[in-house]
Amino acid sequence: NAGVTQTPKFRILKIGQSMTLQCAQDMNHNYMYWYRQDPGMGLKLIYYSVGAGITDKGEVPNGYNVSRSTTEDFPLRLELAAPSQTSVYFCASSPGTGTEKLFFGSGTQLSVL
Amino acid sequence: KQEVTQIPAALSVPEGENLVLNCSFTDSAIYNLQWFRQDPGKGLTSLLLIQSSQREQTSGRLNASLDKSSGRSTLYIAASQPGDSATYLCAVRNSGNTPLVFGKGTRLSVIA
Repeated sequence: NAGVTQTPKFRILKIGQSMTLQCAQDMNHNYMYWYRQDPGMGLKLIYYSVGAGITDKGEVPNGYNVSRSTTEDFPLRLELAAPSQTSVYFCASSPGTGTEKLFFGSGTQLSVL
Repeated sequence: KQEVTQIPAALSVPEGENLVLNCSFTDSAIYNLQWFRQDPGKGLTSLLLIQSSQREQTSGRLNASLDKSSGRSTLYIAASQPGDSATYLCAVRNSGNTPLVFGKGTRLSVIA
């Protein structure tokens, strides 16, 4: 089983550039999440989705956008990248309404220079 | 606003020791709590999930306890091994449809 797949694994952006981080899961999970993790810090929620067509903001949504057109995919778009968006980004999914475990992808390390 | 704290930030122990990692949270009205393991450069792996009605969960050498009234959880690792070296994160959920709130983690080193 592939689980949660994130691409790319590494990316360097120049200030002002845009990019999309891809996330796909093959477990038919309803819930999907995007987190960022800064060095020595816990994970902070950017956006989440409870199903196809439904998304909601997390703790740190500014500078990001998401869409959920299918159950499987939950891309995260960065518009006008800034150095403050340098971080490791994790996508996660869970099957139900919050009682189940989360399954994480291996992360995307993004540097904005 | 829920806040999760993990102490210590780092811990180094010799192989074979039993150890306890601590997690505290400010709002005791939680729905569930999860302990995760993160290896360097990797994603998180869920180790144990404790529902608010439960007192503990066990998996192999790992035992997680939950005391909601005091806002605390502990992760007990028995007979530690070098392969247990990783960062351990605690996360709580306040209700069934709210996202997890994470602590900053405890970085564990088990020395052979």
